[in-house]
Amino acid sequence: DIQMTQSPSSVSASVGDRVTITCRASQGISSWLAWYQQKPGKAPKLLIYGASSLQSGVPSRFSGSGSGTDFTLTISSLQPEDFATYYCQQSDSFPLTFGGGTKVEI
Amino acid sequence: EVQLVESGGGLVQPGGSLRLSCAASGFTFSDHYMDWVRQAPGKGLEWVGRTRNKVKSYTTEYAASVKGRSTISRDDSKNSLYLQMNSLKTEDTAVYYCVRVLLYCSGGNCHSTFDYWGQGTLVTVSS
Repeated sequence: DIQMTQSPSSVSASVGDRVTITCRASQGISSWLAWYQQKPGKAPKLLIYGASSLQSGVPSRFSGSGSGTDFTLTISSLQPEDFATYYCQQSDSFPLTFGGGTKVEI
Repeated sequence: EVQLVESGGGLVQPGGSLRLSCAASGFTFSDHYMDWVRQAPGKGLEWVGRTRNKVKSYTTEYAASVKGRSTISRDDSKNSLYLQMNSLKTEDTAVYYCVRVLLYCSGGNCHSTFDYWGQGTLVTVSS
């Protein structure tokens, strides 16, 4: 199984900050990586797929990059509604696996 | 508007069985692969399994943690997805999400992501 490791597990930030979350795969997954945002009590929401493709309707302050084993999710200017937990997920091979999550908090 | 509505969760004793359902609307259900993803209380996300569409002969994939105990099925005439879980364990306690699969392709290869999620249904396995 491909292990997905996110860092940091939590980050404290302020409105307007630039926030970067990293995700590392235990083996190469090309660009088969997605990022999701989850708020408390809600279902996850797709932000980025294919490592860097922005899902329709997602604000452009979210961006993704990387390929192979190392990936990043960047929020260019943190907004109040962005405080949430973020997960990466690989779709290179079964079983599909998620990172452990990164909580972005004030 | 795409909607996925899960039902069937509840309290079940260890060793028991449960069938979850997901009613889909707002898109052509029969075209899409569909997955189940779960989340234990206070924990991260865990993929459970997939059913492909008729074109791919409704083939399925399962996580090792549920393989042999769970069956994913679908009824395209009813726009419904199902997850039958048997021999339930306390570690199966989780919110179960019904998820629509988005296929995307690059360089001749196609892979998947999850573009729509239901609100989830809670399964609690406890005596």
